[in-house]
Amino acid sequence: QVHLVQSGAEVMRPGASVKVSCKASGYTFSRYGISWVRQAPGQGLEWMGWISGYNENTHHAQKFQGRVSVTTDTSTNTVYMELRSLRSEDTAVYYCARDRVDGTYNLDYWGQGTLVTVSS
Amino acid sequence: DIQMTQSPSTLSASVGDRVTITCRASQSVGGWLAWYQQKPGKAPKLLIYEASTLQIGVPSRFSGSGSGTDFTLTISNVQPDDFATYYCQQYNSYSTFGQGTKVDIQ
Repeated sequence: QVHLVQSGAEVMRPGASVKVSCKASGYTFSRYGISWVRQAPGQGLEWMGWISGYNENTHHAQKFQGRVSVTTDTSTNTVYMELRSLRSEDTAVYYCARDRVDGTYNLDYWGQGTLVTVSS
Repeated sequence: DIQMTQSPSTLSASVGDRVTITCRASQSVGGWLAWYQQKPGKAPKLLIYEASTLQIGVPSRFSGSGSGTDFTLTISNVQPDDFATYYCQQYNSYSTFGQGTKVDIQ
C-alpha cells in the first residue's frame, strides 16, 4: 500500500522558517511526483508546489516563489517542504500528496497533514 | 493563474437526492479537471479525474462531466457518507483548486 507519513505539528514565530517532511512508502519513489497543498483553518485547498521523484525538478505556485523550497532525499524516500519568512496567514494544515500520473499534479494519495501554527 | 469558481458554496440535501455542483475555470483547462471529497479533519480523497473518470473504489453514484471551462459533479441518490465538502481542481497549468462546496443534511 502507498503511504505518505508526515512530520508532527509545529508552532513557529513570525519570521521563522519551518520544514515539514513527508516519507513515502509502498511504491517506486522515482516514478511519481509529490505536491504540497495547504489548508488554512476553515478555508479551502491551496496548491503550493511540486517536485519530481525522477529528476528533482520543481514547480511552485507564483504566490510562494522565493519563499518555499521543496527537496527530496532519495535515500530515504522523503520529501521536504520548507517555508520561510512565516507570517500569521501561513497558519494551516500542510499536506503532501502523490501524483496519480507523474507530472500531472492530479493527486491520488495524501499524507495525514501537518498543522503549522505561526504565532508570537 | 487559472481561477476556479465553484457553485454553490453550500447546499442542503436529503438522503436519496440528486445533487449537482458546478465548477467554472477562468480559461480553458481542456479535460484536466479533478474532483475531491473532504471530511472534517481528514485529507481530501480523489473521486474523479480527467473530468469524468471515476477513481478506483469510488461508488458509481458519483459522476463528472464537462470540458474546457465548465464542469459538473453529480451525486445521484446521495448517501449519509456523502455529506462532506467537495473541491474541483484544474491541473492543466500547474494546479488550482476551487473554493469548495459543502453538502450538508437538509
